[in-house]
Amino acid sequence: EAQVTQNPRYLITVTGKKLTVTCSQNMNHEYMSWYRQDPGLGLRQIYYSMNVEVTDKGDVPEGYKVSRKEKRNFPLILESPSPNQTSLYFCASSLFPPPGGDTQYFGPGTRLTVL
Amino acid sequence: RKEVEQDPGPFNVPEGATVAFNCTYSNSASQSFFWYRQDCRKEPKLLMSVYSSGNEDGRFTAQLNRASQYISLLIRDSKLSDSATYLCVVNRVLEYGGATNKLIFGTGTLLAVQP
Repeated sequence: EAQVTQNPRYLITVTGKKLTVTCSQNMNHEYMSWYRQDPGLGLRQIYYSMNVEVTDKGDVPEGYKVSRKEKRNFPLILESPSPNQTSLYFCASSLFPPPGGDTQYFGPGTRLTVL
Repeated sequence: RKEVEQDPGPFNVPEGATVAFNCTYSNSASQSFFWYRQDCRKEPKLLMSVYSSGNEDGRFTAQLNRASQYISLLIRDSKLSDSATYLCVVNRVLEYGGATNKLIFGTGTLLAVQP
C-alpha cells in the first residue's frame, strides 16, 4: 500500500530532551516536506527536500533540523525542544516538487507535547 | 495581508444543501491552486486541483477568478460525510512572478453538515 508513515504518533517530552520524528514513504517520491499545524495558523512548512542530500528551509525552520540520506526517509530532529514546539506535525511527499499539480501525500501526523 | 485567506466558518448546513467557500490569495502571479480536505485530527488529503477554466468532480466544483484573486469550492447536495475542514492551497511565487517549490496552506474552513 502506497503510504507515508510517521513515528511516533504521539509524544510527550520535556524541554531540552532531543527527539527525532521519523518519516518514510514507499512511493519513490522525490519531494518531501515537514509541516506543523497550530490552531488559527494552519499548516506551516518547516523544511523541505527536493531529493537526496538536498534540503531547504521552509517558513518556520528555527529549532528544527532535517536530513535526507535516503530517498524514502526524511526525519525531523528537535535538538532542544521547547514548549512553543508543541504542535501537530505532518510529513508529506510528492513525486515531483511544487508547483507541478502533483498530489501531496501526508503522513498521519505526530502530536508532540513539550512540557 | 495574508498570502492565503479563508473564512474559518463554521458553515452549518443541512443535508442536501449547496454550500460555497471562497479563498483569496495575495499574489496575482500565483499559478497553482488546490483544495484539500482534512477530517478532524487526520491528515489533509487532496480534494481537487483548480484549473483556470474551472473543473468539476461529481458534486464538487472548483473555480478560479484571477481578476479578483480568489478560488472557490462549491459542494452540491451536501452529505454528512462532507463534514470536514477544507484547506485552500496556493503555490507561493516570488515578487517577480517566479514559482517556488513551496505550498501555502490556508487555515481552513470548517463545514458541518447537519442531518
